[in-house]
Amino acid sequence: DAGVTQSPTHLIKTRGQQVTLRCSPKSGHDTVSWYQQALGQGPQFIFQYYEEEERQRGNFPDRFSGHQFPNYSSELNVNALLLGDSALYLCASSFSATGINIQYFGAGTRLSVL
Amino acid sequence: SQQGEEDPQALSIQEGENATMNCSYKTSINNLQWYRQNSGRGLVHLILIRSNEREKHSGRLRVTLDTSKKSSSLLITASRAADTASYFCATDLSYDKVIFGPGTSLSVIP
Repeated sequence: DAGVTQSPTHLIKTRGQQVTLRCSPKSGHDTVSWYQQALGQGPQFIFQYYEEEERQRGNFPDRFSGHQFPNYSSELNVNALLLGDSALYLCASSFSATGINIQYFGAGTRLSVL
Repeated sequence: SQQGEEDPQALSIQEGENATMNCSYKTSINNLQWYRQNSGRGLVHLILIRSNEREKHSGRLRVTLDTSKKSSSLLITASRAADTASYFCATDLSYDKVIFGPGTSLSVIP
């Protein structure tokens, strides 16, 4: 049973560029959440997707957008990259029918913006 | 600002000792969870305690929850070097939003 997979594992971009990160949820899961984790900090909630719609959003600008596909996989897009966007981006999946939001995390994508 | 705040920020103990980490939060919650993260990798769920529970055990882990004080504690007994990691509490205000604290960095010295 595959867990949550994220790609790529590492990414280097320059300021102003755009980036797309990908996530495949754990088998059987229908909900995907994205987090940004700066070095030495806790994960910051970006948004959550369920049934292909953004259900909840954290305090992140519109430069951060996402998508969920019919197979429950998800993408995180960041436009006009800033140096401060350098972080570990974590995807987590969960199963909505349980009513309990235990998050299963992928290993993350390390984004460096130069 | 963070919904949850862990205390202490960093903790260093000898192998075999107990480690206690605390978490305080600000608003009413449905559940409180604890996660572990090894050196910049993904987080791993450890234990969940519901708002109507006061204490829960899982192996060497013991979690308490005091909703009147809006606080929780995680106790790891008989610590091992492999327990070295960052530990985060997470509160869910609703199913669709889980908020993590800044974490406690635990070092267990062999």
